[in-house]
Amino acid sequence: DAGVIQSPRHEVTEMGQEVTLRCKPISGHDYLFWYRQTMMRGLELLIYFNNNVPIDDSGMPEDRFSAKMPNASFSTLKIQPSEPRDSAVYFCASSLSRQGGVNEQFFGPGTRLTVL
Amino acid sequence: EDQVTQSPEALRLQEGESSSLNCSYTVSGLRGLFWYRQDPGKGPEFLFTLYSAGEEKEKERLKATLTKKESFLHITAPKPEDSATYLCAVQVYNNNDMRFGAGTRLTVKP
Repeated sequence: DAGVIQSPRHEVTEMGQEVTLRCKPISGHDYLFWYRQTMMRGLELLIYFNNNVPIDDSGMPEDRFSAKMPNASFSTLKIQPSEPRDSAVYFCASSLSRQGGVNEQFFGPGTRLTVL
Repeated sequence: EDQVTQSPEALRLQEGESSSLNCSYTVSGLRGLFWYRQDPGKGPEFLFTLYSAGEEKEKERLKATLTKKESFLHITAPKPEDSATYLCAVQVYNNNDMRFGAGTRLTVKP
């Protein structure tokens, strides 16, 4: 399996521009998670989906952030308009639920976003 | 509120010098505790899941243990390639997300 795929790997943009990050989860996984990682705050969960449906978006910082999962193999995280404080590494992870079990998550390589 | 605290923040070891990393947690109903390794510029890589107090898991030079309040990641005779940031995370019942600790940055010198 190719693992979780994210694109782009690096994104540099100017304040006020729209940014779209993309993720392809591991085939067959039914959970998808978006995280943000910074030195100050560590790894923070932004939102997660189950079977393409958003379950918990309480970690989304503000209305400038939105996420979609139109099908089981694709998700996007959009920031509009972007601000310098959005600069971070954004990770996508996926997992497979097990009845009564615990789900380890598998992470993609991340997208390093720099907003100037 | 669920909390995960890792210590130390950073650890420098000589090659072959065994040590332990700590992950203490305060959660309501632990469903599982996870250990991940993260190399610079990469995503976290899954290492172990521990489900209940007393459980142990091993992989090469790493052994993870779990009590009711904390988990340890023991590193036996580490090598320079073990240098990385080690993250622990907890998952609670009735919730499918994970709360991560800040991590321990391990450096192993040859």
